Amino acid sequence: EIVLTQSPGTLSLSPGERATLSCRASQSVSSSYLAWYQQKPGQAPRLLIYGASSRATGIPDRFSGSGSGTDFTLTISRLEPEDFAVYYCQQYGSSPPRLTFGGGTKVEIK
Amino acid sequence: QVQLVESGGGVVQPGGSLRLSCAASGFTFSSYGMHWVRQAPGKGLEWVAFIRYDGSNKYYADSVKGRFTISRDNSKNTLYLQMNSLRAEDTAVYYCAEGTYYMDVWGKGTTVTVSS
Repeated sequence: EIVLTQSPGTLSLSPGERATLSCRASQSVSSSYLAWYQQKPGQAPRLLIYGASSRATGIPDRFSGSGSGTDFTLTISRLEPEDFAVYYCQQYGSSPPRLTFGGGTKVEIK
Repeated sequence: QVQLVESGGGVVQPGGSLRLSCAASGFTFSSYGMHWVRQAPGKGLEWVAFIRYDGSNKYYADSVKGRFTISRDNSKNTLYLQMNSLRAEDTAVYYCAEGTYYMDVWGKGTTVTVSS
């Protein structure tokens, strides 16, 4: 079973700064099957990125995803006040089909 | 617009059962795979189960296999999760979500509390 490890656990930044979030897999993951979500307190998660680098509908272009193999990155180019939230990476494994989430990175206001 | 609305959550004793429902609208429900994902209080997301668009295949997390059953009624645009032999560690917000390799649309969730 593939394990996803996200780092750092918490990222303390100011609005306008750049955020770089890491997601590392215990074994190689197909880029097609790597996604990122944003979750704010009391809300359901929202899909940000799928296929490692494709933005979901309505997601601002300050959010970008990159990576391949075992190392993936979510970058927020300039933090807006509404971006302070928890971010999860997720992968789909096919044998047997199952989804795995990383433990999450909290982006908090410094 | 595309919408998923969960219901059926509540407080149940250990060993009890509960059935969650997820009503879908605004899209062709019968064309999409569906997931259940849960989140224990203060914890991260945990995938629970997946069902293919036509109900032909179902997959479960090891933590719920043999106790939970996912199903769907495409004529009613509704997804279900039958939960039996509930344990304290099943306490969580349960979300239904549309998609296969990733989850594009999420409901707001329904809360399940397992406690005596």
